Amino acid sequence: KNQVEQSPQSLIILEGKNCTLQCNYTVSPFSNLRWYKQDTGRGPVSLTIMTFSENTKSNGRYTATLDADTKQSSLHITASQLSDSASYICVVSAGGSYIPTFGRGTSLIVHP
Amino acid sequence: SAVISQKPSRDICQRGTSLTIQCQVDSQVTMMFWYRQQPGQSLTLIATANQGSEATYESGFVIDKFPISRPNLTFSTLTVSNMSPEDSSIYLCSVPRGVDGTEAFFGQGTRLTVV
Repeated sequence: KNQVEQSPQSLIILEGKNCTLQCNYTVSPFSNLRWYKQDTGRGPVSLTIMTFSENTKSNGRYTATLDADTKQSSLHITASQLSDSASYICVVSAGGSYIPTFGRGTSLIVHP
Repeated sequence: SAVISQKPSRDICQRGTSLTIQCQVDSQVTMMFWYRQQPGQSLTLIATANQGSEATYESGFVIDKFPISRPNLTFSTLTVSNMSPEDSSIYLCSVPRGVDGTEAFFGQGTRLTVV
């Protein structure tokens, strides 16, 4: 069964600090992994996409890493801002499927 | 990127009543998906809305409880029928996007509270 596990479940940090969110997956055959940001009351929005051959990808202050051997990904947020407060969801797609597997998300709260 | 308009954005409903959620996409799409997101849980696929045929439901979801319409390639509705407090969730419509169609592109969601 395809599964995506995220940690931590929730995280509180001070504005300006960095943080790293983790994602472990068992999805086969692996196609790609995306990190989504979901603001309260909004639908999830894709931040990054990682394919099998990619190890690191950045989108502004967001940097995602992927280790396809250990089936792990991380999302690193640099110099956090209040607007980073949201749920971050790891989503893994299997080859040949339009229906991905979703993690439960990490709830990030950035305090001033 | 596609623009998906979903409404209502939120509603508070009495138990036993029904609510219909609408999803409008700005371009024609073959597949549209309906998801439920319960508090603290991951997104769960309810069904795939097919144009011109019945929706395809996932295990645990039935047409009588979640009837879906798909009258054309840009529009779909999901009805939550005979609601109970356990139906309180965020409901999201989604269409596939990206080069390989594996990016799930979401509407803003409908936050439903059943009292």
